[in-house]
Amino acid sequence: NAGVTQTPKFRVLKTGQSMTLLCAQDMNHEYMYWYRQDPGMGLRLIHYSVGEGTTAKGEVPDGYNVSRLKKQNFLLGLESAAPSQTSVYFCASRPLGTSNTEAFFGQGTRLTVV
Amino acid sequence: QKEVEQDPGPLSVPEGAIVSLNCTYSNSAFQYFMWYRQYSRKGPELLMYTYSSGNKEDGRFTAQVDKSSKYISLFIRDSQPSDSATYLCAMRVVGSGGYNKLIFGAGTRLAVHP
Repeated sequence: NAGVTQTPKFRVLKTGQSMTLLCAQDMNHEYMYWYRQDPGMGLRLIHYSVGEGTTAKGEVPDGYNVSRLKKQNFLLGLESAAPSQTSVYFCASRPLGTSNTEAFFGQGTRLTVV
Repeated sequence: QKEVEQDPGPLSVPEGAIVSLNCTYSNSAFQYFMWYRQYSRKGPELLMYTYSSGNKEDGRFTAQVDKSSKYISLFIRDSQPSDSATYLCAMRVVGSGGYNKLIFGAGTRLAVHP
């Protein structure tokens, strides 16, 4: 019963490098979200998706791209990493429906850009 | 101005104290109101959620919503050292793409000391 799994858990990048963070969920959830968490800022929504091939921008989308080619996976890409993207990244998923509000979170990816 | 305001603390209380955590919000379109608990280096987990104004109780926890004042609270009775964590309020709203998104407060760090 894995839930939401994020890969990798830790990464150090040099400025300008690119990388992809992978989020996988095994609960057949329609919604998936990418957040970043910074001290004093809480969780800020980067991008989200309501199903395969459908994505939408959140509060802080600049510098990130996403893809949802399969229902169970949601990828977050950094094309040219900047020190301002040093953060802890969380992926979450939840089912479609008006009453079910619980989002299940992964354990996070700690990214440092030097 | 952020859509959701939450005092980041830290808040330090003795074991057995009653804890009050609060958030204010500006968007009257917010529908569901949630409290998540996040232990250090872990992903957030849903603690409670409510839809309408009023109180909802679950064991030692009570969630309170006042839509007219745009104010939500979480009360913890008989606080325990195991309650030491960051508490994040969250609210659900329909985004510009027509999909539901979750907006989080900054989180309040709580320490309960024996």
